[in-house]
Amino acid sequence: QSALTQPASVSGSPGQSITISCTGTSSDVGGYNYVSWYQQHPGKAPKVIIYAVSNRPSGVSNRFSGSKSGNTASLTISGLQAEDEADYYCSSYTNTNTLFGGGTNLTVL
Amino acid sequence: QVQLVQSGADVKKPGASMKVSCKTSGYIFTDYYIHWVRQAPGQGLEWMGWIHPNTGGTNSAHKFQGRVTMTRDTSINTAYMDLASLTSDDTAIYYCARLLNGGRSLDFWGQGTLVTVSS
Repeated sequence: QSALTQPASVSGSPGQSITISCTGTSSDVGGYNYVSWYQQHPGKAPKVIIYAVSNRPSGVSNRFSGSKSGNTASLTISGLQAEDEADYYCSSYTNTNTLFGGGTNLTVL
Repeated sequence: QVQLVQSGADVKKPGASMKVSCKTSGYIFTDYYIHWVRQAPGQGLEWMGWIHPNTGGTNSAHKFQGRVTMTRDTSINTAYMDLASLTSDDTAIYYCARLLNGGRSLDFWGQGTLVTVSS
């Protein structure tokens, strides 16, 4: 199976909101409510910020939110802050494997 | 607290095999799947496979089948990932991560192990 499709880069100014899309198929994103989003700062391990499409782990800011429609999942970051500048990866868990998106680099202008 | 601590960086020659360990603590090792994910320099995340520490059952991505072996030692709460027939394309940071059972996300990650394949 191919990787999930994400935009290579997005940018926004502090305080603005941005949305990152993640497109798969009915066999992965569309077929399961197990989409996760990971944030990765340079030189660090990824950190889960959204799981099961729209759930936030304890300690993750409520500025991060997730949703899904059909075969496309989305991550929205509201009230952008400088610390949000990082790479973001979506992931879809299926019964047979796990797929990652190609990653989106977020620049806070 | 939950911790996954991986073995140190390594350099391998093409054709050789590599082994990365992932020592866990702070939770019941046999209750959670361990996944392996790698990241080539400047590239994205690539899922490799998982092991269930309780049963030893494994599943791997199609591209690694026949080349990857995942094992565990429940007496020391440690998972291992072996990758054979290395090429320069296998140069990457290798991560182990614990799977959150309900949400199916990787909730705790090791620090990563850089493996460089070079002649």
